[in-house]
Amino acid sequence: GDSVTQMEGPVTLSEEAFLTINCTYTATGYPSLFWYVQYPGEGLQLLLKATKADDKGSNKGFEATYRKETTSFHLEKGSVQVSDSAVYFCALSDLYTGNQFYFGTGTSLTVIP
Amino acid sequence: EAQVTQNPRYLITVTGKKLTVTCSQNMNHEYMSWYRQDPGLGLRQIYYSMNVEVTDKGDVPEGYKVSRKEKRNFPLILESPSPNQTSLYFCASSSPGEGMNTEAFFGQGTRLTVV
Repeated sequence: GDSVTQMEGPVTLSEEAFLTINCTYTATGYPSLFWYVQYPGEGLQLLLKATKADDKGSNKGFEATYRKETTSFHLEKGSVQVSDSAVYFCALSDLYTGNQFYFGTGTSLTVIP
Repeated sequence: EAQVTQNPRYLITVTGKKLTVTCSQNMNHEYMSWYRQDPGLGLRQIYYSMNVEVTDKGDVPEGYKVSRKEKRNFPLILESPSPNQTSLYFCASSSPGEGMNTEAFFGQGTRLTVV
C-alpha cells in the first residue's frame, strides 16, 4: 500500500543554517506530494505541493522537488529563521486509493538564534 | 473564508462518558477524515468518508464511530472513551478537483483528555 517515510527528528539548527528534511514514498498510482507545517498549538497547513514528476513546489523560501526515479520529495531551505520552528509533515495523496492522504510521522524543527 | 471548524478545542472527560467532537467544512468537499496525533506516531487516520453516507475505517478505528449525513459535517463519536484515547484529534477535508489531487484542509484540532 501507499506510505510515506520521513526523516526522524528532532532537528535543531542555528539561525541561517541550511535545512534538509528527507522524505521518500511508496505509491501504487501517480500521487501528488505535499509538505505540511504545524506551528505550536495549531492545525496543519499546507506549505507546498507538487502534482507530477519533476515539479518543484516552493513557498516561504522552502522548496521540494518531486523525484519519481528516487521516489523522494525532500524539503529544503537555504537559511532558516527562528519563526520556522515547527513540525513538518510529508504527505501523499493518490487518486487510485480514493484521494486518501498518507502522512509521514513528522519532523520537529527547532531553530535557535 | 475556506475553513474546517472543529469543536470543542479542548475537552476533559471521564472514562465511559459518551462524547462527540464536531467537524464542519464550508468548501463543499466530498472527502473528509479524522486523524489522531500522538508523540512519535505522527498522524494516524481513524475514519474517512468519500461522500454522504459513505464511511470507512482508517488505520485505528477501534473505539470510534462516525457519521456523514450531510456533506459539510463529519462528527467523531466516542461511545465509551478510555484513557488510551487521550490525544490530539484533527478533522480534514479535501476534494479530487477535476482529476488533480488538491490539498487537504485541516481543522485547528481538539485536545482530548480522558481521565
